[in-house]
This record gives sequence, structure tokens and C-alpha cells, in this order.
Amino acid sequence: KNQVEQSPQSLIILEGKNCTLQCNYTVSPFSNLRWYKQDTGRGPVSLTIMTFSENTKSNGRYTATLDADTKQSSLHITASQLSDSASYICVVRRGSNYKLTFGKGTLLTVNP
Amino acid sequence: DAGVIQSPRHEVTEMGQEVTLRCKPISGHNSLFWYRQTMMRGLELLIYFNNNVPIDDSGMPEDRFSAKMPNASFSTLKIQPSEPRDSAVYFCASGLAGPTDTQYFGPGTRLTVL
Repeated sequence: KNQVEQSPQSLIILEGKNCTLQCNYTVSPFSNLRWYKQDTGRGPVSLTIMTFSENTKSNGRYTATLDADTKQSSLHITASQLSDSASYICVVRRGSNYKLTFGKGTLLTVNP
Repeated sequence: DAGVIQSPRHEVTEMGQEVTLRCKPISGHNSLFWYRQTMMRGLELLIYFNNNVPIDDSGMPEDRFSAKMPNASFSTLKIQPSEPRDSAVYFCASGLAGPTDTQYFGPGTRLTVL
């Protein structure tokens, strides 16, 4: 069954600290993996996209990694800011299928 | 670019009433998706249009749900009659079909059915 599992479900950190969010998937055949950021009351916004051959992708303070062998991805946030408080959703695309498999997200809260 | 526009942003209605959600995709995009998001199930695809044609509506929960895309700049999702279990946030997303296509999400419509 094609699934995307994220951990932890929620995380609270202090401003300025780093954190890492995890994503495990069983989607096959794999096409690409995205991390989306969803602010409260808004739609998800794409942060990074990685294909099979890529194992690291950065977007500012966000760095995503992909291990296609173990089917794991992580999103590392450096020097967190209050504005990083949001839900982070891991999304995997299967083959050339338009359908995306969404994780349920990790809710990150950054406190001052 | 205004992004994907959805209306209304919030809708509160009573069970049994008809609800119509509206979406204006980003100009030039040829793919349009309707999603539903709940705490329990996360984001679920309801229906996918390509070049205004419904390609996959297998995610539509039941016959009470219907969607149309009369032209490239407008789509509607209708629920008739609405039920309390339909309460959720409904997102419209648009994009350009392709292997690495990005879906651009609208702000969503929060629907509450009493």
C-alpha cells in the first residue's frame, strides 16, 4: 500500500534552535518527494522537491535529504524563527501518476 | 500573480443545505485539483481536471458531491445535500501537468455543516 508516514506528529522548540522532521514512504514506483509548509489558515506551499537521483536540496534555512534506498526523507530547519511555526507535509509522487500521496504532517511550534 | 483564488473563505451552513465552493486557478495552468483536509485523514484528492476535463473523480465521497470546470479560469465544487461529516477545509490547487509539476494551493474554504 502506498503510504507516507511522518514523525513526530508535533514538535515544540525554542527560537534559534535547529530541528529535523522525518518522513518514511512506501510509495512505488517513486517519482519525486516534496516538502510543503502549511501556515495556519493557508494552503500548503512547496519548499523543496527531490527526484530519485538527488539526496540533498536546500532552500534557505531548510535542507531536505532523501535516501531512496531506505525510502526516508528528512527536513532540517536551521536557526528556527517564529515564522517557521507551521505544519510541514511530506508528499510523494508515484511514477507518472498525477496523484500525490500526502503525509499527515508535523506541526512545528517555535516559541520565543 | 494573484495565485489560486477560492471563495468563500468560510462557510457555515445547516445540514441538508446546498453548498457551492468556487475556485479561480492561476492563469495558464492546465491542471486543477480539489482536495479535502481533515485532522484525521489529512489531505485527500477529490477530483482532478486536465484542460477542463474531469480525469479522475474517484475521490469524490458520494453522489452528493459534484464538480464542474466550465472554462479554464473557473471551477466549482458542490455539495448537495450537505452533512455534518462534510465539515473540513476544501482546497483548490492548480498547476502545469508534468513529471515535476508543482501544485499551487489556494487559501482554502473552511466549511462547517451544523
